[in-house]
Amino acid sequence: IAGITQAPTSQILAAGRRMTLRCTQDMRHNAMYWYRQDLGLGLRLIHYSNTAGTTGKGEVPDGYSVSRANTDDFPLTLASAVPSQTSVYFCASISPREGHLYEQFFGPGTRLTVL
Amino acid sequence: QKEVEQDPGPLSVPEGAIVSLNCTYSNSAFQYFMWYRQYSRKGPELLMYTYSSGNKEDGRFTAQVDKSSKYISLFIRDSQPSDSATYLCAMSGTGGFKTIFGAGTRLFVKA
Repeated sequence: IAGITQAPTSQILAAGRRMTLRCTQDMRHNAMYWYRQDLGLGLRLIHYSNTAGTTGKGEVPDGYSVSRANTDDFPLTLASAVPSQTSVYFCASISPREGHLYEQFFGPGTRLTVL
Repeated sequence: QKEVEQDPGPLSVPEGAIVSLNCTYSNSAFQYFMWYRQYSRKGPELLMYTYSSGNKEDGRFTAQVDKSSKYISLFIRDSQPSDSATYLCAMSGTGGFKTIFGAGTRLFVKA
């Protein structure tokens, strides 16, 4: 693989079900993020991890959890899905670009519909 | 008030037109100003970035930053149908990874 992969590509999920979105990178970047993208609201940060073994809450963390057991994998779990979690989810890894500028490398996204 | 404001469009222009995309922001601590391009059903990719104020040119693309007005722009010259995408402005400071994204402007370039 090259870059970031996400799985599944899309999913329709019944409300109340548990779901894990997978994200894997092969660039050995320390920092990884999860965003959701909604029309008119742009990218909103859900959770982040600055390095393996650490995680933090972003702007919209409620209803989501993450883990970072190793550098490459950063799964996002919805414990009990609700319709408001219908969105496109993007995983990103972060690499220093220049000075204090960090470039984000995004995966192809997971389209999740919760009914 | 959002930290970054961006008109979602859509913006539709004929091929060959000059396109102007803009964002305003409120946080004076932002030092890096980026534009990401996102094609349909793909993740965003970094297109251009500038540090502090000024202009930066890369082929048909020019990024401008006016920190006094808290206003950034992306100009696309001789626009092509392949430029059709959503353009997201993004900003960050010098304190770490945190990046704030605009909502994105959808651009359609008609052949």
